[in-house]
Amino acid sequence: DAKTTQPPSMDCAEGRAANLPCNHSTISGNEYVYWYRQIHSQGPQYIIHGLKNNETNEMASLIITEDRKSSTLILPHATLRDTAVYYCIVRVSEGDGGSNYKLTFGKGTLLTVNP
Amino acid sequence: DGGITQSPKYLFRKEGQNVTLSCEQNLNHDAMYWYRQDPGQGLRLIYYSQIVNDFQKGDIAEGYSVSREKKESFPLTVTSAQKNPTAFYLCASSRRRGSQPQHFGDGTRLSIL
Repeated sequence: DAKTTQPPSMDCAEGRAANLPCNHSTISGNEYVYWYRQIHSQGPQYIIHGLKNNETNEMASLIITEDRKSSTLILPHATLRDTAVYYCIVRVSEGDGGSNYKLTFGKGTLLTVNP
Repeated sequence: DGGITQSPKYLFRKEGQNVTLSCEQNLNHDAMYWYRQDPGQGLRLIYYSQIVNDFQKGDIAEGYSVSREKKESFPLTVTSAQKNPTAFYLCASSRRRGSQPQHFGDGTRLSIL
């Protein structure tokens, strides 16, 4: 799986949009980009994932550049409860079996939402 | 509500004891996984199972054992052979096919007395 690079920490004001960047310059054509977050002492929470197109759900938006070498997770209106470590992961998904069984979490970005 | 339940949340073990961590899911997912997380570190895969009665070793399987007798359940046993068992253990599940994401439980924190 491709390696990702994220800033170690970011701050955001409550109510403002939080934009979390991720570089994945060695991503392959069949690798998806996944975002998870982990609040202290809890399990990781799935946020969103995508392959080529931008994606949006009730939690966030995912913007993937045209060359797929980087992406940005957008939390449109950050709240104090969004303070967490955010992980960007790229992973092959080949259907049954294959190498799609493992998620490789790096150090992530600690997002602190300030009042 | 559908989800993944891990129990207990905190667990203490004496030296030389085996201990079993429970993981149950009602999401009708075929695949289940066990990860270990150490302080300030990412997750490392211990075991995974893509179907009932079948499981494979992950990156750090030594000192651990699992079973998958039911689709809903994937218990992890930390044996006395695991020399450094103190960690945060996370169970996850997913559909098998395509790009389906893994969903996690809230973890069990194991400590050695």
